[in-house]
Amino acid sequence: DIRMTQSPASLSASLGETVNIECLASEDIYSDLAWYQQKPGKSPQLLIYNANSLQNGVPSRFSGSGSGTQYSLKINSLQSEDVATYFCQQYNNYWTFGGGTKLELK
Amino acid sequence: QVNLLQSGAALVKPGASVKLSCKASGYTFTDYYIHWVKQSHGKSLEWIGYINPNSGYTNYNEKFKSKATLTVDKSTNTAYMELSRLTSEDSATYYCTREGDYFDYWGQGVMVTVSS
Repeated sequence: DIRMTQSPASLSASLGETVNIECLASEDIYSDLAWYQQKPGKSPQLLIYNANSLQNGVPSRFSGSGSGTQYSLKINSLQSEDVATYFCQQYNNYWTFGGGTKLELK
Repeated sequence: QVNLLQSGAALVKPGASVKLSCKASGYTFTDYYIHWVKQSHGKSLEWIGYINPNSGYTNYNEKFKSKATLTVDKSTNTAYMELSRLTSEDSATYYCTREGDYFDYWGQGVMVTVSS
C-alpha cells in the first residue's frame, strides 16, 4: 500500500498570509495526486488534481505542485472561508489519503 | 448538475447489518465508477472499494472485504453499500463518490452509529 504522510497536522495562520501544506508519498506516484478541502460537517471538495490542475470553480489562490514522492498545496492570501481540513490523496495505485491538515485562523 | 444523494443517518445494533444508498443524478450513471469512503470521527479518510455501475464489477480495500458489499441498481441510478456484523469500530460517516481517477463529486455523507 502507498502511504501518504501529510504535514503539518495543524496550522494556524493570519488572514492574507500564504500557507503551505506538504504531502509525502511512500513511493513515486507520478503526479497522481489530488487535494481536497473539507469544512466541518461537510463532505470533501476537490481542489487540485494531477498534482497541479485546478478544479473548475476553485479560486486561483489555491495551487498545487510537486512530483515523484513530494507534493505541496499552497494557499495565497488566506481568506476566512479557507478555514478547513485539507487532505491529499494518491490515485496511482488504488486510493489512499493523507492524515489531514487542520487550518485555523490566528 | 451532478448530485449524489445519500440515505439518512442510521442507528444500528451491534452484530446487525445496514444498507446505505447513493442516488446519482445529473450525469450518465454507467460512465463513472462509484467509490465508498469511510471517515471515523475526527479522523482521516479510508477507501472502502468501488463498483463499476455498468458491469457490476467490484474491487475492495483488503481491510473491508469481509465488511462491505457494493451493489448497484441501474434502473434507479442508485449505488448501495451493505455493512455487515457491525461493531463500534464501524461507527463513522460514509461517503459515496464519483471517480474520474480522483473523486470529483461526493455525496453529503451518512452517519452510521452502532450502539445497543
